[in-house]
Amino acid sequence: GAGVSQSPSNKVTEKGKDVELRCDPISGHTALYWYRQSLGQGLEFLIYFQGNSAPDKSGLPSDRFSAERTGGSVSTLTIQRTQQEDSAVYLCASSLWFPRTLAGVGNEQFFGPGTRLTVL
Amino acid sequence: GENVEQHPSTLSVQEGDSAVIKCTYSDSASNYFPWYKQELGKGPQLIIDIRSNVGEKKDQRIAVTLNKTAKHFSLHITETQPEDSAVYFCAASKSGNTPLVFGKGTRLSVIA
Repeated sequence: GAGVSQSPSNKVTEKGKDVELRCDPISGHTALYWYRQSLGQGLEFLIYFQGNSAPDKSGLPSDRFSAERTGGSVSTLTIQRTQQEDSAVYLCASSLWFPRTLAGVGNEQFFGPGTRLTVL
Repeated sequence: GENVEQHPSTLSVQEGDSAVIKCTYSDSASNYFPWYKQELGKGPQLIIDIRSNVGEKKDQRIAVTLNKTAKHFSLHITETQPEDSAVYFCAASKSGNTPLVFGKGTRLSVIA
């Protein structure tokens, strides 16, 4: 079946412009995550959506970053007034949701190919 | 919050040899530990994971061990092949449905 897809694959923008990055999760996955991977760094959590619950925004680095998830499926990450330090690969992941996570299976996170953002 | 340390940052092995990557975590409440393989230009791919109710898990040439007392877990790849060359990331979370905290990654090179 289809995996997580992201668009665009590459985005070059000028400092100060706004950008929107899109994520299509695996069909049926109710949990969706955004991470950022800077050059030479590990993956850094940004925001997490689960069903209709309020998103966990604790990883967003500034108020220039926001995300929404419409209809419980597609998500858009928006970065306003981009800065050069925003240059990174933005990765989206999705997973199933099981309440009994210790003994259960199927709640592994599956990643998309990422969007490489370059801010000039 | 959780902090995950990963070693080594780079690892070179001869084809056919074994490779071991080690990670430590700080939060004793963490109970889910996945490993991801990332090839150039691609997203991370889940290769194996372990939960805190088991100490070891194997899948063909790949195995993961977990020591909850010492808060460390390791990835073992046996009979390495050139296609195993990639960056490997360990991660930890309180459950599979919460955000993952990642190590900095290990670049593995398998020399033919």
